[in-house]
Amino acid sequence: EVQVVQSGAEVKEPGESLRISCKGSGYSFSNYWIGWVRQMPGKGLEWMGIIYPGDSDTRYGPSFQGQVTISVDKSINTAYLQWSSLKASDSAIYYCARTTGSFYSFDYWGLGTLVTVSS
Amino acid sequence: DIQLTQSPPFLSASVGDGVTITCRASQGISSYLAWYQQKPGTAPKLLIYAASTLQSGVPSRFSGSGSGTEFTLTISSLQPEDFGTYYCQSLTDFPLTFGGGTKVEIK
Repeated sequence: EVQVVQSGAEVKEPGESLRISCKGSGYSFSNYWIGWVRQMPGKGLEWMGIIYPGDSDTRYGPSFQGQVTISVDKSINTAYLQWSSLKASDSAIYYCARTTGSFYSFDYWGLGTLVTVSS
Repeated sequence: DIQLTQSPPFLSASVGDGVTITCRASQGISSYLAWYQQKPGTAPKLLIYAASTLQSGVPSRFSGSGSGTEFTLTISSLQPEDFGTYYCQSLTDFPLTFGGGTKVEIK
């Protein structure tokens, strides 16, 4: 059974760093892109970026380039999303999801990680 | 980058009604489009990809059509569990933009 499991909720202060994780199981992790999607409170879905675990090829949405880093450790079937210096405006739910095999649509989603940044 | 515009932003319909949501792309994307349903407090769920291919397990009352710049998601007979927000997503060329969403309410 395919599963995508995300790390738990985080509460951080502005300026702190953070890395959240996304672990895939039940499929060949290296062969499917993993993407990250932001959802700010009461708002729509925003495509942040995507990584191919097989070769770490990574693409970012223009609003997120330089603001976050997407990485992967395929030895433990885990993708990461990290910030070096959080802002209050980074408070949101972050979803990771696996793409379907032949298209970039997301077929398996994690439950989401709630990140709250507040002083 | 491709922009996706969904309409209407909100709709209210009765059980049994047919419902259509439109997604327009700022440039042609062939059939590279997906549709998702998101219910409050839950992750989105893939309904359709490649514009018209129904994801496994999705009820057949959902259908998608279109190509190029105009796409539609149709629910043939609205059911109580179909409430939520529906999003389209471009599947061609990074970034893989989402539309702004259409919130569906059951009257």
